Amino acid sequence: GAVVSQHPSWVICKSGTSVKIECRSLDFQATTMFWYRQFPKQSLMLMATSNEGSKATYEQGVEKDKFLINHASLTLSTLTVTSAHPEDSSFYICSARDARTGGNQPQHFGDGTRLSIL
Amino acid sequence: TQLLEQSPQFLSIQEGENLTVYCNSSSVFSSLQWYRQEPGEGPVLLVTVVTGGEVKKLKRLTFQFGDARKDSSLHITAAQPGDTGLYLCAGRNSGNTPLVFGKGTRLSVIA
Repeated sequence: GAVVSQHPSWVICKSGTSVKIECRSLDFQATTMFWYRQFPKQSLMLMATSNEGSKATYEQGVEKDKFLINHASLTLSTLTVTSAHPEDSSFYICSARDARTGGNQPQHFGDGTRLSIL
Repeated sequence: TQLLEQSPQFLSIQEGENLTVYCNSSSVFSSLQWYRQEPGEGPVLLVTVVTGGEVKKLKRLTFQFGDARKDSSLHITAAQPGDTGLYLCAGRNSGNTPLVFGKGTRLSVIA
């Protein structure tokens, strides 16, 4: 089945550091990737939608200069948290949609990245 | 913004009991998906329903999509400790829009 790989799975860094998270679709082409954030004991909140070769679309309240998204190929999207602060600590999850299937294409999820800012 | 209301938020039951989780919205969805998430991991897709009134079964799990495609339910028969986890419903109002998630139901099955 479709697999989405996310790396790293866990990051601990100092405040002010920029952190890059990679999301790869391993056996399918993903024209669209989504980035979600999940705080403890809460559900997934969509941060942005990333289309290959174009600028990401950010949800209301998500700072595009803070969370830089790049989707340069059909198998890779990256999320960079710039100048991270403790309030950015969260579980970040990417999701990818297979471009080959039509209609209600399923979204496949990565295993998430736990970001802890000290 | 489409909202998905999930209930109950927390559920603790004994092994062998049955339970139902509900997912409701005032919006119509083109498809609705149920996921299960373990701590520290991404959500894993259980089922996708697309037709109003559709019922799908996955072993002891039964999923139903409302006739108007605004609500869904997940019924678990004879729950087992291995069913413990966070159950999330997620809907999409058209083929190209992202999934919107409910707040989840945290299920704990006690042996």
